[in-house]
Amino acid sequence: QSALTQPASVSGSPGQAITISCTGTSSDVGRYKFVSWYQQHPGKAPKLMIYDVTERPAGVSNRFSGSKTGNTASLTISGLQPEDEADYYCCSYAGSGTFVFGGGTKLTVL
Amino acid sequence: EVQLVESGGDVVRPGGSLRLSCAASGFSFDDYGLSWVRQVPGKGLEWVSGINWNGGRTFYADSVKGRFTISRDNAKNSLFLQMNSLRAEDTALYHCVRVRFSYGNPTTFDYWGQGTLVTVSS
Repeated sequence: QSALTQPASVSGSPGQAITISCTGTSSDVGRYKFVSWYQQHPGKAPKLMIYDVTERPAGVSNRFSGSKTGNTASLTISGLQPEDEADYYCCSYAGSGTFVFGGGTKLTVL
Repeated sequence: EVQLVESGGDVVRPGGSLRLSCAASGFSFDDYGLSWVRQVPGKGLEWVSGINWNGGRTFYADSVKGRFTISRDNAKNSLFLQMNSLRAEDTALYHCVRVRFSYGNPTTFDYWGQGTLVTVSS
């Protein structure tokens, strides 16, 4: 159950688009379509932003989108806004009822 | 409104035990699986344990297998985590999380509680 690999930090200016990668293995990200992304602001609980690789929960802005190629999933945020500044975590189902998270990426909106 | 409220966190000595609880409201409790996910303050998330809708299936991370036990009481809309043989590395904020299932497997954590802090220290 090794953690998924995410960049420690990414940054972008308001209005720009950024992409956060999440690399796993053929036993988790590469095997299942159950990749999800969570946004966490300081002192707050994580919030679901993307599930099943590409799906957005009701109420989440369509500026957030997800994709996957092979063992790497990605979260793209377009039209960056100041309130997008937060930590982002990817997560993948890893079989037998278990999950693995990424180490987290700190997004800074310049 | 979905609410998950954890309790039971405390300071405990290495080797000690603790029981966490999570009170759920705002949804049909026995329609969903649940999990515990922990987070060392300032660090990342780690999935700890999960349980299906009726408690018939339970799942554990290797790091806690044999020491932690997850359970639920659907009559009381409550989730529990019995933590035994606690270690310093178990120190974290423990979140109670609602889980979506798909084709019989847990897939997504869609609502999170604020967490309860467990500190293991001598």
